[in-house]
Amino acid sequence: DIQLTQSPSFLSASVGDRVTITCRASQGIRSHLAWYQQKPGKAPKLLIYAASTLQSGVPSRFSGSGSGTEFTLTISSLQPEDFATYCCQQLNSYPLTFGGGTKVEIK
Amino acid sequence: EVQLVESGGGLVQPGGSLRLSCAASGFTFSSYWMSWVRQAPGKGLEGVANIKQDGSEKYYVGSVKGRFIISRDNAKNSLYLQMNSLRAEDTAVYYCARNWVGHCSGTSCYGGLDYWGQGTLVPVSS
Repeated sequence: DIQLTQSPSFLSASVGDRVTITCRASQGIRSHLAWYQQKPGKAPKLLIYAASTLQSGVPSRFSGSGSGTEFTLTISSLQPEDFATYCCQQLNSYPLTFGGGTKVEIK
Repeated sequence: EVQLVESGGGLVQPGGSLRLSCAASGFTFSSYWMSWVRQAPGKGLEGVANIKQDGSEKYYVGSVKGRFIISRDNAKNSLYLQMNSLRAEDTAVYYCARNWVGHCSGTSCYGGLDYWGQGTLVPVSS
């Protein structure tokens, strides 16, 4: 199974900050990577797929990049509603696997 | 409106069995791969199993192989997860999710899990 390693696992930031989260795959997954946002007690929400394509309705301050084994999720200007946990997922091969998650908290 | 509603969770003893169901509505269920994803208390997401549209392909994470069985009934718009020989480490909220394809380029298609159920809690404890 493909392993995904996210960093950092925890991030403290302020409203307006630029935030970058990294996801590394144990083997090449081309651009078959998705990013999710999850808030406590809620199901995850799809933010980005194909490594860089914004899901419909997701604000443009979110962006994704990368291919192969290294990927990044960037939030250009952190908003109060963005404090949540972010997780990457590979869809290159089954079984689909997830990264460990990055919790973004208010500084 | 797309809806996924899980049921069947509840307290089970180690070594026991449980069958989860996921009722789908608002979309053509038979056209989508489906997934079960779990989340242990305070932990991250873990993909458990995936099943092809017609049920002909099934994939499992290593920790549940030989114990869990994913299945579907397209006539009933339902997804199932039969969980046997349950262990304490299987304790989690279990979600069903739809595998959505956003776009295809050549022979590659790209997407993600675009709709999720509310989750059902499975505590495994004596």
